[in-house]
Amino acid sequence: NAGVTQTPKFQVLKTGQSMTLQCAQDMNHNSMYWYRQDPGMGLRLIYYSASEGTTDKGEVPNGYNVSRLNKREFSLRLESAAPSQTSVYFCASSANWNTEAFFGQGTRLTVV
Amino acid sequence: GENVEQHPSTLSVQEGDSAVIKCTYSDSASNYFPWYKQELGKRPQLIIDIRSNVGEKKDQRIAVTLNKTAKHFSLHITETQPEDSAVYFCAAASGNTPLVFGKGTRLSVIA
Repeated sequence: NAGVTQTPKFQVLKTGQSMTLQCAQDMNHNSMYWYRQDPGMGLRLIYYSASEGTTDKGEVPNGYNVSRLNKREFSLRLESAAPSQTSVYFCASSANWNTEAFFGQGTRLTVV
Repeated sequence: GENVEQHPSTLSVQEGDSAVIKCTYSDSASNYFPWYKQELGKRPQLIIDIRSNVGEKKDQRIAVTLNKTAKHFSLHITETQPEDSAVYFCAAASGNTPLVFGKGTRLSVIA
């Protein structure tokens, strides 16, 4: 039982490049999230998904897109990376909105 | 949408003393209030949570209190130990909205 698995752990991109962060959970959770963590800013919600086929914007969605491919997987795509997107990204999942959220191990992304 | 404010941003205590971290929230519909601990380089992990129908909850040295009227909740850690040093996040959610986190408190326990 792996919980929440996200890949890759580390990534360096050049400005303008694109990439997709992958996330999968094996807990049969309905809700999935993408957060970014920057020093002094806490965990800010980028996008979230209540169930397969539905996605919604969070606090900081600009520059990102998401796909809830199925109940297990929720990917985050950067179409044209910018230095402002340098951050640590966490995927998380929970059974419902108001239950414990489990986090992946994080992706440290640097855009140069 | 929900807005969660957390104070202080940094906190230093002597080993064995108590630590208190406070959060306020804005959405009266919020009914779930978890606290997460994040050690350096690790993922956030739940340490305790409370629901809106409960005023206080304890788990060994950790306790959380909730005041729904004032829309604030607090984390209390007693008899602090060096391994309590970490960043702590409060959060709030309702049945219709996802978790919104505070900006975090960096707790340092000085031996």
